[in-house]
Amino acid sequence: GQNIDQPTEMTATEGAIVQINCTYQTSGFNGLFWYQQHAGEAPTFLSYNVLDGLEEKGRFSSFLSRSKGYSYLLLKELQMKDSASYLCAVEASGYALNFGKGTSLLVTP
Amino acid sequence: DSGVTQTPKHLITATGQRVTLRCSPRSGDLSVYWYQQSLDQGLQFLIQYYNGEERAKGNILERFSAQQFPDLHSELNLSSLELGDSALYFCASSVDGSGTNTQYFGPGTRLTVL
Repeated sequence: GQNIDQPTEMTATEGAIVQINCTYQTSGFNGLFWYQQHAGEAPTFLSYNVLDGLEEKGRFSSFLSRSKGYSYLLLKELQMKDSASYLCAVEASGYALNFGKGTSLLVTP
Repeated sequence: DSGVTQTPKHLITATGQRVTLRCSPRSGDLSVYWYQQSLDQGLQFLIQYYNGEERAKGNILERFSAQQFPDLHSELNLSSLELGDSALYFCASSVDGSGTNTQYFGPGTRLTVL
């Protein structure tokens, strides 16, 4: 089976750094994606990791450890517009993404 | 704007009815995916098409069916609707059928079954 776990909710302050963790247990692994989703809107692609290590893209970075079944998304210099749900998704089958239930991030002033 | 379009944006219907959701992929993308998102379940993969052919099935009910046409647009048909089918339905597209290619999501269709 496929099991992807993320915290349900997190709160952080504007200007701060927040780390959103994702652990997974899947029958295969071809890569891990992070998506951002504002309420009622489409998920938008943030990052993709297939090899161990850190991928940096502006204020957002994503880390992967395949041996530990673990990833995190790091958001720096938080802005109010970063309040959204962050979805971790694993590609394990060769075609479709298995999504976690998402972490709802609230950025406060 | 991802380049993926979906119509209609909202759909309200009654139990037992049938509806069709439509999706046009990004220009150049050959693969289309359908997902269902409900409050308690998160995003659930339903079905994938690649260049007109069904490629993979996920948690799709027998009451649901889909197809991809020669112009690559796709339709998701939902029949004998139940209250529990109320959800956001997203279409996504990617360049080819490989799961490691980034999927770009459309704005979704919000289905409400009364």
